[in-house]
Amino acid sequence: AQSVTQPDIHITVSEGASLELRCNYSYGATPYLFWYVQSPGQGLQLLLKYFSGDTLVQGIKGFEAEFKRSQSSFNLRKPSVHWSDAAEYFCAVGGNDYKLSFGAGTTVTVRA
Amino acid sequence: NAGVTQTPKFQVLKTGQSMTLQCAQDMNHEYMSWYRQDPGMGLRLIHYSVGAGITDQGEVPNGYNVSRSTTEDFPLRLLSAAPSQTSVYFCASSPSLGYTGELFFGEGSRLTVL
Repeated sequence: AQSVTQPDIHITVSEGASLELRCNYSYGATPYLFWYVQSPGQGLQLLLKYFSGDTLVQGIKGFEAEFKRSQSSFNLRKPSVHWSDAAEYFCAVGGNDYKLSFGAGTTVTVRA
Repeated sequence: NAGVTQTPKFQVLKTGQSMTLQCAQDMNHEYMSWYRQDPGMGLRLIHYSVGAGITDQGEVPNGYNVSRSTTEDFPLRLLSAAPSQTSVYFCASSPSLGYTGELFFGEGSRLTVL
């Protein structure tokens, strides 16, 4: 069965500092990997996705993620965080079926 | 540009009552799905559909029914609500046959079962 683990429940980061959110997945074949962001009271929005090819993926809002097959990881990074990046972030994994599995999420707080 | 519209946004039910959460999309997406979001558990797939007349179960289908009579609509029915169904429900659609494109989410429906 596929699954996603986001080890960090909550991260606090200073504005302007770098951010890295961890994601580990379990999937029996080549995975499709996603990062979504949820602002308070809103639905989820896609930040970026990885299907194949270059293992470093660029997304919206200055985010990037790196797929590391050997570590079963797909960590999300941003070099310089803005106050508007405060939100909950979800990693998700799926494959050649119609079922996408989400992690439990990481809440990011940005302090001035 | 409505996107994915969910109604109602908030609902309070008593145990044993039934209700339907409505979901409509105006993007002509074939794939639609329902998730529930609970604290510390992320989003869990309830049911999904890859086109009109086709539905299938996700990870947590018990207690929920769905149907897909049109491309636009994908209602979620709770036949006999239980407190364990207190949650925030999200409907999502995708232009791909699956989620491999991008899932477009509604704003959610918060359900409380007393």
